[in-house]
Amino acid sequence: EAEVAQSPRYKITEKSQAVAFWCDPISGHATLYWYRQILGQGPELLVQFQDESVVDDSQLPKDRFSAERLKGVDSTLKIQPAELGDSAMYLCASSLETANTEAFFGQGTRLTVV
Amino acid sequence: GEDVEQSLFLSVREGDSSVINCTYTDSSSTYLYWYKQEPGAGLQLLTYIFSNMDMKQDQRLTVLLNKKDKHLSLRIADTQTGDSSFYYCAEIYTGKLIFGQGTTLQVKP
Repeated sequence: EAEVAQSPRYKITEKSQAVAFWCDPISGHATLYWYRQILGQGPELLVQFQDESVVDDSQLPKDRFSAERLKGVDSTLKIQPAELGDSAMYLCASSLETANTEAFFGQGTRLTVV
Repeated sequence: GEDVEQSLFLSVREGDSSVINCTYTDSSSTYLYWYKQEPGAGLQLLTYIFSNMDMKQDQRLTVLLNKKDKHLSLRIADTQTGDSSFYYCAEIYTGKLIFGQGTTLQVKP
């Protein structure tokens, strides 16, 4: 069964270091989402891609976060420099089109900043 | 702005029905969703409802939609201990998939 792949599953990094997460969506899915989920809260949308273009990044802290999806397939989310408050689960999801279809989620990357 | 709100915690006895409530923002949302999340894992879509429907039933799950009040509920019949988890409602708001803060369902034996 097709699934959204994310790596790594867990990452521990020291504050001020750079960290990157990778996501490979389900083949053929044009829309890709990155969410941040702080423990005990719901997922918060960071950035949404339609193919290789950013559709929405209004909640992405652009001074330290960046995201790219160069060929419209897999995507990388980077944090530089990491801060203690960035500790969270980072979830990637994909869907066939932007709205009104099912979004499939990966298992997430659990980031701990120490 | 977007604001999806849920009851935070629900505790039921095994075999009882569970009802998780949600209010959403965008009256133009065409689909509304219920996701389940096991601790430390990604989200799994449980069910969804199209906005021209009032009710959708899928085995033990029943979704009720009140568009006038922008209220969505998920009923789980014959709740089992394996249903203990986190449940999130979500809507499409201005093209973005927006989640509530989640409801913790605790099922006691």
